[in-house]
Amino acid sequence: QKEVEQNSGPLSVPEGAIASLNCTYSDRGSQSFFWYRQYSGKSPELIMFIYSNGDKEDGRFTAQLNKASQYVSLLIRDSQPSDSATYLCAVILSGSARQLTFGSGTQLTVLP
Amino acid sequence: NAGVMQNPRHLVRRRGQEARLRCSPMKGHSHVYWYRQLPEEGLKFMVYLQKENIIDESGMPKERFSAEFPKEGPSILRIQQVVRGDSAAYFCASSPDELLIGKQYFGPGTRLTVT
Repeated sequence: QKEVEQNSGPLSVPEGAIASLNCTYSDRGSQSFFWYRQYSGKSPELIMFIYSNGDKEDGRFTAQLNKASQYVSLLIRDSQPSDSATYLCAVILSGSARQLTFGSGTQLTVLP
Repeated sequence: NAGVMQNPRHLVRRRGQEARLRCSPMKGHSHVYWYRQLPEEGLKFMVYLQKENIIDESGMPKERFSAEFPKEGPSILRIQQVVRGDSAAYFCASSPDELLIGKQYFGPGTRLTVT
């Protein structure tokens, strides 16, 4: 079992819809969770982080964390073609507290 | 306010040669991380350095790979005797504080091609 798992996609949604990206992790002791966005051929950039159970909203983005079920998700409301990218879930695992462990990413395409 | 800089952006090496990748962190950042990304895969942690110290190298292959972050100058990732399997994008990231490990700023990457 991978430490951080994501559906690779591709995930396609129409413009204006809600895109839902999911991530599960194996280490129950993990405390810190991050979402990075990576455009094709570019470097990753941090878009959201969450530490506590529940929802955290930032503009059109909402991160959701459920530690009991060991999953974290990212919702993108009113999706735009410019949101088309690969979204990487990253976790600081309790056994590897000095590094980020990334999932393999979910490729999102927003269709105009 | 310059971001994380990496050079070269593209590097071509023949099998058996050495590759040297450089990374200058953001101004004010003293924590540097190196990652490798294979095509269609996520980022794999390699090493975490602070000035003059290797903090965590658990993701670094035991042979041929080394990293340093000297007191002066950029961080260097060195790959000796490169093989085709080393072809990948290598990203460097930096953060200002060890408590902000998750909030990393990435450089543009070095695309290494081994022929």
